[in-house]
Amino acid sequence: GESVGLHLPTLSVQEGDNSIINCAYSNSASDYFIWYKQESGKGPQFIIDIRSNMDKRQGQRVTVLLNKTVKHLSLQIAATQPGDSAVYFCAEYAPGGYQKVTFGTGTKLQVIP
Amino acid sequence: EAGVTQSPTHLIKTRGQQATLRCSPISGHTSVYWYQQALGLGLQFLLWYDEGEERNRGNFPPRFSGRQFPNYSSELNVNALELEDSALYLCASSFRLAGEETQYFGPGTRLLVL
Repeated sequence: GESVGLHLPTLSVQEGDNSIINCAYSNSASDYFIWYKQESGKGPQFIIDIRSNMDKRQGQRVTVLLNKTVKHLSLQIAATQPGDSAVYFCAEYAPGGYQKVTFGTGTKLQVIP
Repeated sequence: EAGVTQSPTHLIKTRGQQATLRCSPISGHTSVYWYQQALGLGLQFLLWYDEGEERNRGNFPPRFSGRQFPNYSSELNVNALELEDSALYLCASSFRLAGEETQYFGPGTRLLVL
C-alpha cells in the first residue's frame, strides 16, 4: 500500500516501552479532540477522544492528555507493540460538527522489535 | 457489518481530465464526509452531505463537487484536474444518535494526476 508516513516526524520506540506522541492545536474554541491511527493503505481509525471539559482520558493501553492552557494534546501508548506501528494524528473540532475540523499532519511511530 | 467502502482504490489521470470517486457509507449512516489528504499534509475537509443535501464545503475551488444519492452513497467529482490534486481522498460516514456522532473512515482512493 501507499506510504502515508513520508516527510513526517518519526518516533522510534523499542517494543514494550511506552510511547508519547504530541500534538499542538490551534483553535482555543475547539472543544472536542480525537486521536487517529492510520496504517499504510488504510483509512484513519479512531483511537480515543476527549472533550475540553476533561484533561485526561484513559482507554485500553492508551491515554490522552489535554492541556488547554498551552493548547497541547498528547497520546500515550503503554507497552508499545509492533502492531502499533502507524501514523498517528490528532484532530481538533470546533463547535458545529465534523466539518469544523482541523487535522494534524501526524507522527509516524516505528516500533523496533 | 461492512465498513465504509470506496472505489476505485487507485486512479491515474492526466492534467485537465475529470475524476469521479465513489463512497458507500455504513448501512444506516446518512452523513458522508469527503477529505483530501495530500502527501505531508493533514486531512483537509472537502464536503459534507447529509440526507441527500450538501451541508457544507471546505476551502476548495468549485471544480470539486459531488452528490449524495437516495441510498446515501456519494460521489466526489474533480474537474479540470491539476497536478496538486494528487492525494488520498478519504470518505467517512456517520450517524447521529442521542446527540453522539462517530465517524468511520473508508480506505481511501489514491488519485495521481500526471
